[in-house]
Amino acid sequence: GQQVMQIPQYQHVQEGEDFTTYCNSSTTLSNIQWYKQRPGGHPVFLIQLVKSGEVKKQKRLTFQFGEAKKNSSLHITATQTTDVGTYFCAGPGTPLVFGKGTRLSVIA
Amino acid sequence: DGGITQSPKYLFRKEGQNVTLSCEQNLNHDAMYWYRQDPGQGLRLIYYSQIVNDFQKGDIAEGYSVSREKKESFPLTVTSAQKNPTAFYLCASSDGTFVSGANVLTFGAGSRLTVL
Repeated sequence: GQQVMQIPQYQHVQEGEDFTTYCNSSTTLSNIQWYKQRPGGHPVFLIQLVKSGEVKKQKRLTFQFGEAKKNSSLHITATQTTDVGTYFCAGPGTPLVFGKGTRLSVIA
Repeated sequence: DGGITQSPKYLFRKEGQNVTLSCEQNLNHDAMYWYRQDPGQGLRLIYYSQIVNDFQKGDIAEGYSVSREKKESFPLTVTSAQKNPTAFYLCASSDGTFVSGANVLTFGAGSRLTVL
């Protein structure tokens, strides 16, 4: 079945550094979603990308959907301690197909 | 406010006991899901339901059971057959637009089960 591979599994950054997580699929995706889970919390929907080459921004977060619609990335500029958590991508399916997540640690 | 309520938030159980985790939503969503999350791990699907009185097994259904008698409720029973039940359990719902695959999940706050 469809799988989405997410890398890296872990990322430790100094506060103020940038961070990127990548999500890759072997098949074309009709859309991709991103979720954030704070430590001890539950996943919260961030955004959905639908169009080839789409780029969306939410403050310091930039989300991209590849031209071939097989990959996506989430980039955080100048990380802050509030960015700590696990970021999951999810491909379409019945039900959604989640990546294993990237856990971000921010060192103040 | 609309949302998903999971209870209890924390639960302790002795080996050999069945426990039932509650999940209630007032979002009028058709689809509901149960996920298991182990420390530092991703989300693993246990069961999901797209409509009342119907549900499907996910990737790790063994040792679990569910029911969907009402649209707003999707309780999960962790049976004694589940070998390693200690985990964080997350319930979610979506409006179930499976045709486009564009369904967005809303998660509850989770239930943390510890087997003593």
